[in-house]
This record gives sequence, C-alpha cells and structure tokens, in this order.
Amino acid sequence: GAVVSQHPSWVICKSGTSVKIECRSLDFQATTMFWYRQFPKQSLMLMATSNEGSKATYEQGVEKDKFLINHASLTLSTLTVTSAHPEDSSFYICSASFLVRGRTEAFFGQGTRLTVV
Amino acid sequence: AQSVAQPEDQVNVAEGNPLTVKCTYSVSGNPYLFWYVQYPNRGLQFLLKYITGDNLVKGSYGFEAEFNKSQTSFHLKKPSALVSDSALYFCAVSPWGGFKTIFGAGTRLFVKA
Repeated sequence: GAVVSQHPSWVICKSGTSVKIECRSLDFQATTMFWYRQFPKQSLMLMATSNEGSKATYEQGVEKDKFLINHASLTLSTLTVTSAHPEDSSFYICSASFLVRGRTEAFFGQGTRLTVV
Repeated sequence: AQSVAQPEDQVNVAEGNPLTVKCTYSVSGNPYLFWYVQYPNRGLQFLLKYITGDNLVKGSYGFEAEFNKSQTSFHLKKPSALVSDSALYFCAVSPWGGFKTIFGAGTRLFVKA
C-alpha cells in the first residue's frame, strides 16, 4: 500500500526556536496533504489542508503565522512551528491523499512528537 | 454538521472474551468508513475500511467491523481479545466527494489477562 513518511519521529526544542516537520509520500504523488494535531488523550484535529503549489487552507482557530505549511512538490509537505512554546508540545500527524479507483483516499504518517522545553 | 461519535471513552474486556468498540456517524452521502489503532507514542495504524459491498468487513489482527446503514453505525469487533489489543482505537469517516477525514474522539481498550 501507499506509504507516507514523517521526519523526525520525535523532536525536542527550546522555547522560542522553530521546528520543521517533513511529510513525504514515498510511492505516489499526493494531490493534497493534511496536517493534524493530537493533544494528549484526545482525538486528531485537522489543522490545515495543503495543495501542491498553493497556499494552505487553515482550520478555524489555527494560527497560520505560527504553523507555516509549505507544499513544494507532489511528494513533500512541511510544517514549521515557529517560535515554539511549551503549549505547542503535541503529536503532529500528516496524511496524503491521492486517487484510488476514482475516489480520493488518505494515508497517514507515523506522527511526530514535539516537545518544547 | 458531519460528525463521528464513539460513545465509550474506555472499554474493558477480559482476555479471550469478545470485544466491541462502538461507532456511529452523521455524514451525508456514502462515506468511506475506517478504523485505526494507535499504540502509545506511535502514529495511526490502519485496521480496516468499508467502501461498499458486504456489510461485514474483515481487517488486520483478527478485527472486523459491521456496517449498518439504517443505524449509521460501524462497530469494531473481535471474537477473542488479546492483551496486546490494548490501545486507542479511532473510528473515522471520509465523506463522499471529499477527502477530509473526520475522526471520532477515540476509545481506549483495556484487555485484562
């Protein structure tokens, strides 16, 4: 099946620094990529939708200047958490979608655990 | 509004007993339905999905799910639970014509030896 890879799997950074998370579709070209955030003991919340070559669409309440999304190619999307603070510590998961028999399906990465100290 | 409900925060089952994790949805059209499992500090692992056809879908690790259109439910089941099945389970739907995945809140399954 299709594989989506996230890097890094976990990262610890100092408060005030920026962190970049990569999401790659390894064996297919993703028309759209999604970024989710998961708080401890909670479900996944969609943060933004990105299409290759265009600006990301952010969900209500998500700060676009804080969570920068770049979708430079059909196989790579990046999420940069700028000026990270401890409250940004979370589990971030990406997914990539492409057409399967006329319907779009999404495949998920393994997630990135961000800890801001 | 489109939504997915997992009414139980936690399900406790003894090893060897059957288990059911409940899911109902409110989505227009004919959505794709999914179950995912998440182990501590890990990403989502796909268990199974329903697109069309037979209402009973078989998936990974002996899990199966039953689609009931009239009740808009997609309950996850396993005939005999294992301690290693203890994890967080998410029900999800992908609405017709779109590809955003809507997740339920998750149900934590504890299987006791």
